[in-house]
Amino acid sequence: AQTVTQSQPEMSVQEAETVTLSCTYDTSESDYYLFWYKQPPSRQMILVIRQEAYKQQNATENRFSVNFQKAAKSFSLKISDSQLGDAAMYFCAYRRPYGGATNKLIFGTGTLLAVQP
Amino acid sequence: DTAVSQTPKYLVTQMGNDKSIKCEQNLGHDTMYWYKQDSKKFLKIMFSYNNKELIINETVPNRFSPKSPDKAHLNLHINSLELGDSAVYFCASSQFITDTQYFGPGTRLTVL
Repeated sequence: AQTVTQSQPEMSVQEAETVTLSCTYDTSESDYYLFWYKQPPSRQMILVIRQEAYKQQNATENRFSVNFQKAAKSFSLKISDSQLGDAAMYFCAYRRPYGGATNKLIFGTGTLLAVQP
Repeated sequence: DTAVSQTPKYLVTQMGNDKSIKCEQNLGHDTMYWYKQDSKKFLKIMFSYNNKELIINETVPNRFSPKSPDKAHLNLHINSLELGDSAVYFCASSQFITDTQYFGPGTRLTVL
């Protein structure tokens, strides 16, 4: 079974600095999708970024980028120029590429990010 | 416009009661999901429907019964509520072939 591990329960970053959140996963599949979701205190789950395993290029979305290392099964999230609004719980998630009964997200345990002014 | 909405946002009830949570999406998606987030913030899939057909049913007690009257709606009915059911329940939707799931605001259920 696939598993997702986030080894940093909490992280802290100064405003305007850069922070990297770690995520590793375990799978025997060669094709899959990876995601980072953000959950601010409002509780809403917000998609930050997604990565298809077959793409070698790392995904980027404005200040958010990933470092996808397929062989190492690592999927870290880098937040540049951190802002106060980035403070949230961040979840890494895995999904198999097929539909049907495999169409579910498998989440890590989350990393709580604090942004210091 | 709200893409995925849930009602109610908060639900406080006594043990043994029956309650329902409703979910609606206006994204035109054909697949909907229920996830449970426990007190430690861990998120886990409960159910998924595609075109009103149940396609994922994780090991969830029979007291939980999802119902999908149409592609845009997925409701969750819980019978004989227990203390351990206290959690945040998230509805999500996606297009079947694509992979990105969009979440509702969550419903915080507290069982006293």
